[in-house]
Amino acid sequence: NAGVTQTPKFQVLKTGQSMTLQCAQDMNHEYMSWYRQDPGMGLRLIHYSVGAGITDQGEVPNGYNVSRSTTEDFPLRLLSAAPSQTSVYFCASSPGAGRGYTFGSGTRLTVV
Amino acid sequence: AQSVTQLDSQVPVFEEAPVELRCNYSSSVSVYLFWYVQYPNQGLQLLLKYLSGSTLVESINGFEAEFNKSQTSFHLRKPSVHISDTAEYFCAGEYNQGGKLIFGQGTELSVKP
Repeated sequence: NAGVTQTPKFQVLKTGQSMTLQCAQDMNHEYMSWYRQDPGMGLRLIHYSVGAGITDQGEVPNGYNVSRSTTEDFPLRLLSAAPSQTSVYFCASSPGAGRGYTFGSGTRLTVV
Repeated sequence: AQSVTQLDSQVPVFEEAPVELRCNYSSSVSVYLFWYVQYPNQGLQLLLKYLSGSTLVESINGFEAEFNKSQTSFHLRKPSVHISDTAEYFCAGEYNQGGKLIFGQGTELSVKP
């Protein structure tokens, strides 16, 4: 099993550009989430999903969109990149409540 | 709103000394608690979790955490740390009966020889 796979690993965007961060898991996990990690702020929840077709906002959803059309994939879309979105993004998945999350290796995004 | 607070941003200790990393969570009807560890330039790994039952939970590498409902705390402890324990540690709470995992700000544990 590959676990949680994030692509790309690194990305540089210009302000105003849009892009999609990809996340795929092969463990048949129902729950998936997106986080951003910034120094001194820990991991902040952007959006999460408890199953295909179900998504909800986390702590910092503005400027990001998600959809969950399949159990395996949970892409994160940046609509119009801003320098404040420079961060490391982590995707995670879990088989269910209380069972812990498996994290991807992250995407380092720089917006110039 | 749900929240998790880690009370120390950095904890420096000497090798073989005991350590405690402090975590408080916002109370809820349903909350599961976790500690994760992140080694430099890596993703997060689950260290231990509390779901219910015994208030003391242990990990395979000597860490333990105690759930205290009255103080809404879930502090992480190790009686004797090693250089290899140097990492960032995150406390997290899963709310809304699952799916919404909220993290604290993280504590950098630095173990010195």
